[in-house]
Amino acid sequence: DLQMTQSPSSLSASVGDRVTLTCRASQGIRNYLAWYQQKPGKVPKLLIYGASTLQSGVPSRFSGSGSGTEFTLTVSSLQPEDVATYYCQNYNSAPLTFGGGTKVEIK
Amino acid sequence: EVQLVESGGGLIQPGGSLRLSCAASGFTVSYNFMTWVRQAPGTGLEWVSVIYSGGSTYYADSVKGRFIMSRDNSKNTLYLQMNSLRAEDTAVYYCARDPSSGAGGDYWGQGTLVTVSS
Repeated sequence: DLQMTQSPSSLSASVGDRVTLTCRASQGIRNYLAWYQQKPGKVPKLLIYGASTLQSGVPSRFSGSGSGTEFTLTVSSLQPEDVATYYCQNYNSAPLTFGGGTKVEIK
Repeated sequence: EVQLVESGGGLIQPGGSLRLSCAASGFTVSYNFMTWVRQAPGTGLEWVSVIYSGGSTYYADSVKGRFIMSRDNSKNTLYLQMNSLRAEDTAVYYCARDPSSGAGGDYWGQGTLVTVSS
């Protein structure tokens, strides 16, 4: 079965830093990759779909790239409100597996 | 605007059954795929099931043979019939739509808590 692996599992960075999160698929999923942000106690929020398309209303400091098996989510300038856990998800075909998440904190 | 509203969660004994519902408004559930996702306390997101526009359904190995996902197009509503429930099924259950389905609004419902305990 398809596996989605996110790295790192957690990171701590300073406000204004550029942060890059990685998601790897165990088999090719074309560009059918979504990124979600989940703040504590909240519902996951869609950030990016199609690997690189920014969902309406999401700040432009978020960007996504990749295709096939390697994907990245980049925050160009980390803000305090970006503290959250970020998940990638394959939606190319079932199983629509999630990665284990990357917890982002402010240093 | 799109809204997804889950209901049906609660406290249930091991071995019991429960049916969750997800009522959609602002878009048509049969036009895109829809999923159920769960999150046990303090853990990450776990995909549970998907129903595609053509009606095909697929399940995570952890629930295969126990859970059944369906939809009622006339009510624009999804369902998750959960049977033979176990303690490890305890989680918040979310319905979620295809991330590329557009139309703005909610992509996830607010979730409904299922607690399996004696």
